[in-house]
Amino acid sequence: DVKVTQSSRYLVKRTGEKVFLECVQDMDHENMFWYRQDPGLGLRLIYFSYDVKMKEKGDIPEGYSVSREKKERFSLILESASTNQTSMYLCASSLGPGLAGFLLAYEQYFGPGTRLTVT
Amino acid sequence: QQQVKQSPQSLIVQKGGISIINCAYENTAFDYFPWYQQFPGKGPALLIAIRPDVSEKKEGRFTISFNKSAKQFSLHIMDSQPGDSATYFCAAINQGAQKLVFGQGTRLTINP
Repeated sequence: DVKVTQSSRYLVKRTGEKVFLECVQDMDHENMFWYRQDPGLGLRLIYFSYDVKMKEKGDIPEGYSVSREKKERFSLILESASTNQTSMYLCASSLGPGLAGFLLAYEQYFGPGTRLTVT
Repeated sequence: QQQVKQSPQSLIVQKGGISIINCAYENTAFDYFPWYQQFPGKGPALLIAIRPDVSEKKEGRFTISFNKSAKQFSLHIMDSQPGDSATYFCAAINQGAQKLVFGQGTRLTINP
């Protein structure tokens, strides 16, 4: 089974703090994603990475940055946390294009989420 | 054009009834439509998916109906059970893109 783990389930930070959210996957997946989940807004993509050291902005990248130094690890960084970044953060991974069939390549596996509260 | 619109936002169904969640899209390049199921305290997990070359896909009590001309697809849960209570997300992707576009989510409650 694919396992995606996130470093914390719950996190409370103060406004202005630098926040690191870590995500690790154990299936050698090419693609990794960071989403935030807010009621009524669904899952909104913050950043994704399709290879080590490669990243692309998603729909809401403002106020966030990411780092992928190793294939299995994808970090989300809040440079200066603000109260409007209070949310559930979900990491996901997918196999990515290649020899696998289309459906297998793009199925995303999610971690359990980190509920971040910024006070 | 990249949006997927999902409705309703919340749904309450009696045990044994049929739950129906609808999604609509604009981008005709989308060619893979998965549904994800999320239980409280967990991340979403793939439930069922369909390609646009078929009009219906069934897995147990879960069925996706796909209407390519209307650019709509829906999830039907037959004989709904309390254990089906969860948040459901529809999504779409096109070949070449590597990211899913998600709908807004539907919180489903099945009353016993």
